[in-house]
Amino acid sequence: KQEVTQIPAALSVPEGENLVLNCSFTDSAIYNLQWFRQDPGKGLTSLLLIQSSQREQTSGRLNASLDKSSGRSTLYIAASQPGDSATYLCAVMTAGAGSYQLTFGKGTKLSVIP
Amino acid sequence: ETGVTQSPTHLIKTRGQQVTLRCSSQSGHNTVSWYQQALGQGPQFIFQYYREEENGRGNFPPRFSGLQFPNYSSELNVNALELDDSALYLCASSLGQGIETQYFGPGTRLLVL
Repeated sequence: KQEVTQIPAALSVPEGENLVLNCSFTDSAIYNLQWFRQDPGKGLTSLLLIQSSQREQTSGRLNASLDKSSGRSTLYIAASQPGDSATYLCAVMTAGAGSYQLTFGKGTKLSVIP
Repeated sequence: ETGVTQSPTHLIKTRGQQVTLRCSSQSGHNTVSWYQQALGQGPQFIFQYYREEENGRGNFPPRFSGLQFPNYSSELNVNALELDDSALYLCASSLGQGIETQYFGPGTRLLVL
């Protein structure tokens, strides 16, 4: 059974700092890995998707890496801003019986202090 | 192109009742997946529908059921509600039986008293 762990559970940083969020998964047989952002009480916004054959993806100030063999991914946020405050969720896609499903971690709650 | 929408946004029910949640997929998407997110947890996969057929289910009992319609909109039905069913219910639409990027709706917050 696939399990996804995110460390740390919560993180507080001053504005302008660079930071790294970590994600690990137990089964390397994944199709892709996604990072999502979730604001309180809201749905999920997809930030980056890394296919299993890729090593990293970049979008603006965000960079995500994937090491499938070791079961690890990191999300790097450069020059953090108060608007980045949210919960960040990591999810891996695996094949079940006839479907492709996402398995999520519990998330890292990020607070960026002005 | 419209995004994924869900209704209602909030709902309060009592234990033992039944509830129906609705999801309208992003235009052109033929796959819908439903997830349950309890407070402080990551979303958990409930089931997936592809071209009106259920093609995958997570570890949820049969009282969680669903439908997908020809226009690819979807319903999640929960019978005999329990207190632990209180959660944010998210639907996600995609192409290709879910292997492509899944786009999430804003969710329905269900409270069972």
